[in-house]
Amino acid sequence: AAGVIQSPRHLIKEKRETATLKCYPIPRHDTVYWYQQGPGQDPQFLISFYEKMQSDKGSIPDRFSAQQFSDYHSELNMSSLELGDSALYFCASSRTVRNYGYTFGSGTRLTVV
Amino acid sequence: AQTVTQSQPEMSVQEAETVTLSCTYDTSESDYYLFWYKQPPSRQMILVIRQEAYKQQNATENRFSVNFQKAAKSFSLKISDSQLGDAAMYFCAYPGGGRDDKIIFGKGTRLHILP
Repeated sequence: AAGVIQSPRHLIKEKRETATLKCYPIPRHDTVYWYQQGPGQDPQFLISFYEKMQSDKGSIPDRFSAQQFSDYHSELNMSSLELGDSALYFCASSRTVRNYGYTFGSGTRLTVV
Repeated sequence: AQTVTQSQPEMSVQEAETVTLSCTYDTSESDYYLFWYKQPPSRQMILVIRQEAYKQQNATENRFSVNFQKAAKSFSLKISDSQLGDAAMYFCAYPGGGRDDKIIFGKGTRLHILP
């Protein structure tokens, strides 16, 4: 079965650089969520999109932005990277039917040096 | 605010034994879903089991089952016949509402399996 695809799997950037993370949801899933998980932490919600419109926003820094495209894939853009941005970034997708559940991608491990 | 609480940061269980992970949550909704996710060292987030709040019957998936107490807002996970591959971080999670029911996670319980 198709899963949520995230790219790249690993990314190393220097401070003050920019990073772009991509997420390809499961076909026919209309909602995409982005989470940030620091070492030893639980995942923290960043932002979500429903039908290509921003749906909800969590603790996302102003340096981060995201969008969902016409093919439903989503990109998380992170600028002026800081050491504290080093984390695992998850994308998840779901259908609006609440009982369907949420499927997570394998995550992008971002290291800022 | 919607919250999910896991009071056991770490637990250990002997291989082949049974272990129960605790979770409590807070919600004002009457119809909702609850989830347990497993995150092994690979850090892939894997759905273990799902419970629908309007169903009184506890969900079961092979060696994994839940004890869902709606009035007490309790949702514990029981793992029977523990295996080495069960070693992971386990997160209790709840769709926290809002327009898109984003998942809210508990802090997690790290489960160690002792051979």
